[in-house]
Amino acid sequence: SQTIHQWPATLVQPVGSPLSLECTVEGTSNPNLYWYRQAAGRGLQLLFYSVGIGQISSEVPQNLSASRPQDRQFILSSKKLLLSDSGFYLCAWKAGQADNSPLHFGNGTRLTVT
Amino acid sequence: AQSVSQHNHHVILSEAASLELGCNYSYGGTVNLFWYVQYPGQHLQLLLKYFSGDPLVKGIKGFEAEFIKSKFSFNLRKPSVQWSDTAEYFCAVKPPKAAGNKLTFGGGTRVLVKP
Repeated sequence: SQTIHQWPATLVQPVGSPLSLECTVEGTSNPNLYWYRQAAGRGLQLLFYSVGIGQISSEVPQNLSASRPQDRQFILSSKKLLLSDSGFYLCAWKAGQADNSPLHFGNGTRLTVT
Repeated sequence: AQSVSQHNHHVILSEAASLELGCNYSYGGTVNLFWYVQYPGQHLQLLLKYFSGDPLVKGIKGFEAEFIKSKFSFNLRKPSVQWSDTAEYFCAVKPPKAAGNKLTFGGGTRVLVKP
């Protein structure tokens, strides 16, 4: 069966420090991968998605970047965190070839920038 | 901008009451529709989905949703809620020809069921 791992679960970082959140998927190949940010009352905002290795699409301009160095690995990064980067970050995957497959979410990372 | 709207941010009700959560979207054409649920301390999980066919879809835990194309709506319902239905509920839409098959989510509705 397919599983998705996201870490760390919580993270407290000072302003100006770098960030690296990692997400890996097991049990499937060539998934579509997504990074969402969840803010209270604002639902889930799509930050990045990837349909293949090295292919990254950015949805909103921001201080963050994403990379997909391997088929089932998706990384969210920042060189210098801002206070406004605080939030709950969710990684998700979807079967790439199946148009009507649902999203499967990881457990999320609570990031607090101090 | 095209969007997904959930009308209520917070809903409080008692056990055995009926629940209906509204969801409207502004995309034209053929869409895929989803409801996700996030129980306290747990990850988001799929409640139900609609792609085609019968506009009344049934999901897990006694939930159902009705797709009304003319109203651009996909409301979620449960006839009799339980305390364990306390959660945050998200409506999501995959617009026609969405690049990367990405979903757009509504703002979520927090539901508190009092015992």
